[in-house]
Amino acid sequence: QVQLVQSGAEVKKPGASVKVSCKASGYTFTSYGISWVRQAPGQGLEWMGWISAYNGNTNYAQKLQGRVTMTTDTSTSTAYMELRSLRSDDTAVYYCARVGSVVTSAGDFDYWGQGTLVTVSS
Amino acid sequence: QSVLTQPPSVSGAPGQRVTISCTGSSSNIGAGYDVHWYQQLPGTAPKLLIYGNSNRPSGVPDRFSGSKSGTSASLAISGLQAEDEADYYCQSYDSSLSGSVFGGGTKLTVL
Repeated sequence: QVQLVQSGAEVKKPGASVKVSCKASGYTFTSYGISWVRQAPGQGLEWMGWISAYNGNTNYAQKLQGRVTMTTDTSTSTAYMELRSLRSDDTAVYYCARVGSVVTSAGDFDYWGQGTLVTVSS
Repeated sequence: QSVLTQPPSVSGAPGQRVTISCTGSSSNIGAGYDVHWYQQLPGTAPKLLIYGNSNRPSGVPDRFSGSKSGTSASLAISGLQAEDEADYYCQSYDSSLSGSVFGGGTKLTVL
């Protein structure tokens, strides 16, 4: 069965960086993309970006350009999301989700990780 | 301000039918991009409910249905059950933003 298992909760200070991992199993990792979505406390879902696990192509949300980097390690079927220059409003639960396409970020998110809480506080 | 607009809340009694709207524009839903719907139960990750405007993944009851017309889409839930109480989100692709976009979410209360 398809599973996406994310790394544990993080507490960071403003200005620091965080790197969240998402280990995939139960399917051919390089046949799909991975999107990252975050949800601030009590708020809605915000798409952060997408990476093709086939060729590493990325597409980031405009508001996060320059602060976010998404990568994959095909040898371990793991996707990573690094967010830099953290601010208090980056406090959120971060989700990875499988996307059906390896060539475009358009598509549905059919499987989701359990979420990783990132808290930014001084 | 979300690119896709949903009502903040809807409610209905058990057994009733409710609909949740998702209004976009000519750069997303109106441009022909598919709409997908997710259900998020409290404290859990979102779950895909409807993909490609009107298709249900395996295991999703046929009480849930989706439709799309012009620059809008709708999720209908018939035969409401207490377990349907959750947040619902629509999602599509926006060509102006070159990325996926979500609606602001709708909280469904089963009275």
